[in-house]
Amino acid sequence: QVRLAESGGGVVQPGGSLRLSCATSGFSFNKYGMHWVRQAPGKGLEWVAFIRFDGSQTYYADSVKGRFTISRDNPKNTVYLHMYSLTAEDTAVYYCAKDYFSVTALDVWGQGTMVTVSS
Amino acid sequence: DIQMTQSPSSLSASVGDRVTITCRASQSITTDLNWYQHRPGKAPSLLIYSASSLQRGVPSRFSGSRSGTEFTLIISSLQPEDFATYYCQQTYNVPFTFGPGTKVSIK
Repeated sequence: QVRLAESGGGVVQPGGSLRLSCATSGFSFNKYGMHWVRQAPGKGLEWVAFIRFDGSQTYYADSVKGRFTISRDNPKNTVYLHMYSLTAEDTAVYYCAKDYFSVTALDVWGQGTMVTVSS
Repeated sequence: DIQMTQSPSSLSASVGDRVTITCRASQSITTDLNWYQHRPGKAPSLLIYSASSLQRGVPSRFSGSRSGTEFTLIISSLQPEDFATYYCQQTYNVPFTFGPGTKVSIK
């Protein structure tokens, strides 16, 4: 069974940093791209970042470009989201999601981890 | 960036009703359009990919179609577990933008 489990969320001060992790199991992690998506309180889903199966390319939403970095460790079946210069607008539940094989679609999601940016 | 709009933003319906949700892209995205269901407190789930392909395990009452830059999600007979928010997402170009969502609630 495919499983994704996010961790690393918490409360951080404005301007601070945080690293989210997404541990995966049940599929050949090194064959699939991975996404991060977030949902701010009372808002809709916002796509954040994507990394190719081999880590060769990464893509970001304009709202996080230059502040967030997506990375992966294929031997550990884990994808990360490094977040810097956080602001209150980054407060959200952060989900990791697995990419579909033949088309770009988010076919399996984790339960999410909450990040609160507040002083 | 490609902008996605959805209509309606919310609707009230009864069990057994046919529900139609529309999503429009600001430019051509061919069939690179996915639909997701999101229940409160749960992880989102993929319903439809490539505009009209039903994800494995999703009930056949869900269907998707495309006409140009307009995409439609239809729930043929609404069930109690279908009360949720539905999002479209384009994956034609980065950033892979979501629509603002359509909340389906009980009448």
